[in-house]
Amino acid sequence: DTGVSQNPRHKITKRGQNVTFRCDPISEHNRLYWYRQTLGQGPEFLTYFQNEAQLEKSRLLSDRFSAERPKGSFSTLEIQRTEQGDSAMYLCASSPDAGELFFGEGSRLTVL
Amino acid sequence: AQSVTQLGSHVSVSEGALVLLRCNYSSSVPPYLFWYVQYPNQGLQLLLKYTSAATLVKGINGFEAEFKKSETSFHLTKPSAHMSDAAEYFCAVSVAGTASKLTFGTGTRLQVTL
Repeated sequence: DTGVSQNPRHKITKRGQNVTFRCDPISEHNRLYWYRQTLGQGPEFLTYFQNEAQLEKSRLLSDRFSAERPKGSFSTLEIQRTEQGDSAMYLCASSPDAGELFFGEGSRLTVL
Repeated sequence: AQSVTQLGSHVSVSEGALVLLRCNYSSSVPPYLFWYVQYPNQGLQLLLKYTSAATLVKGINGFEAEFKKSETSFHLTKPSAHMSDAAEYFCAVSVAGTASKLTFGTGTRLQVTL
């Protein structure tokens, strides 16, 4: 069991650019979650997948954000036309059905 | 909707002293409650969880928490702090039927001094 893997760990980009983060969950976990954590705050729920189906999206997920999990395995989170307010740590977690969430180490985004 | 409030954004204790991190929850239905720890530049690690079984929950690294419905609290304790306990601690809540979606508190940074 290699745990939840996220890439890249750090991304620095200029405002207006697009960025994409990848999450590889624990292989037998069918649920995958994305959270966002800003400095001094707790993680905030963005979206989650059951297999390849995206079942819930937070109102925090504006139309510039899109998440996919095309084959029910890895997931990508894309942010288009980044803004400085998007600077945050993006955390991915996976779980078996209704079980404990296992978090990755996160992808830190800095928008200049 | 459910929420948690963590009292005290920073707590400092001496090595060997009692650790007490406070968490109060709000939920209209029986909650599931969690404590997570986060070390710098790392993800979150589950310390312990309450899922309606025993009200006193023991976790990893010597931590425990007690669910008190009358006080709507789930405070985290450890009898004797170690330097390695210095980290950010998050309380979180979810409810049955919400696909394990967690709502986190704002966190408490624990400092351990010699």
